[in-house]
Amino acid sequence: DAKTTQPPSMDCAEGRAANLPCNHSTISGNEYVYWYRQIHSQGPQYIIHGLKNNETNEMASLIITEDRKSSTLILPHATLRDTAVYYCIVRPHYNQGGKLIFGQGTELSVKP
Amino acid sequence: ETGVTQSPTHLIKTRGQQVTLRCSSQSGHNTVSWYQQALGQGPQFIFQYYREEENGRGNFPPRFSGLQFPNYSSELNVNALELDDSALYLCASSLYSASGNTIYFGEGSWLTVV
Repeated sequence: DAKTTQPPSMDCAEGRAANLPCNHSTISGNEYVYWYRQIHSQGPQYIIHGLKNNETNEMASLIITEDRKSSTLILPHATLRDTAVYYCIVRPHYNQGGKLIFGQGTELSVKP
Repeated sequence: ETGVTQSPTHLIKTRGQQVTLRCSSQSGHNTVSWYQQALGQGPQFIFQYYREEENGRGNFPPRFSGLQFPNYSSELNVNALELDDSALYLCASSLYSASGNTIYFGEGSWLTVV
């Protein structure tokens, strides 16, 4: 079973920040938080991952709470092309293969 | 672009037949994993291969099998196809190492069983 809980759907206005929450209250000390998204009919796309510090890349920012029990993915200026299902996943980063446990994710709809 | 390529992109098979799906991993990656995604569901882990051997399996029956070749490309074989096998099949590659790894997915192969 997935170790994360996400809202099933969210709406966001184009140009505004999209803040996608994720709860992972049972996260272990060696587990990272990963975010992927899946645009309709395409393969999942890696977005970002982090352990305990906030992370930022060209796609998004990841804010992890101090107790690491929850996190928020931020898309700073959402566009229509950001409409997708967003998955929050926890897993060890080191010495691991290709297994990810996906939950149901959050379906983000960006509206004009 | 993730560098992970899959073929074919779409195919239709009849119940009881066998199917082979192919995947070419990202350059430098030594681990390939396969996922099944039914309509409206998240991807489900089938199995992964590391150094040409199965190295972890999800809750899928033995009629789902695979191969990994020395060049790290891979095949997923499904025998005795059932209607419920209709799904998007995703291949993912990663580098199994002590310095950490991120998993990258291909665009998938859509299988319809009729």
